[in-house]
Amino acid sequence: DAGVIQSPRHEVTEMGQEVTLRCKPISGHNSLFWYRQTMMRGLELLIYFNNNVPIDDSGMPEDRFSAKMPNASFSTLKIQPSEPRDSAVYFCASSGGAYNEQFFGPGTRLTVL
Amino acid sequence: GQNIDQPTEMTATEGAIVQINCTYQTSGFNGLFWYQQHAGEAPTFLSYNVLDGLEEKGRFSSFLSRSKGYSYLLLKELQMKDSASYLCAVGNNAGNMLTFGGGTRLMVKP
Repeated sequence: DAGVIQSPRHEVTEMGQEVTLRCKPISGHNSLFWYRQTMMRGLELLIYFNNNVPIDDSGMPEDRFSAKMPNASFSTLKIQPSEPRDSAVYFCASSGGAYNEQFFGPGTRLTVL
Repeated sequence: GQNIDQPTEMTATEGAIVQINCTYQTSGFNGLFWYQQHAGEAPTFLSYNVLDGLEEKGRFSSFLSRSKGYSYLLLKELQMKDSASYLCAVGNNAGNMLTFGGGTRLMVKP
């Protein structure tokens, strides 16, 4: 199994630009999670999908952030417009192991100048 | 809501034993997870406890006391490669969501 796949691995953009992060979960996993990690705030859950339906988006910081899951094998997290404070590592995870544990993708390191 | 506390940093010596504690207060509980995260990498699953007691897996063991809202991760025979952050996470009753603690950065010295 290829594991959770994320792209791009690194993204550098300028303030005001639109950023789209992509995720392919592990095949057969029904739940998908988007996290943001910074030194100051640690690992924060942004949004959680179950069977492609958004269940909890209370962690999405503001309207500039949106996420979609059009099918079981693909999800996007979009930031528009981006701001320097959005700079972080964004992880996608899917769950479905023996303990329903979450498997994380390699992350996207986003830098907004 | 969820509140999870763990020490920010710990240092230990190669070959020794180290215990990383985690305390939590939650509105619901559906298991406690430990993850390891090396610098610049993604978190990887280490252990899961849902009942009280000790779960052993090789050099790593994890303990849970639900009545005390307390868990620890025990690492034996420390190796340099064990230098990493260790994240405690609590599952809530609403599906598969996890709330993560801030992580404990463990430095193993020769």
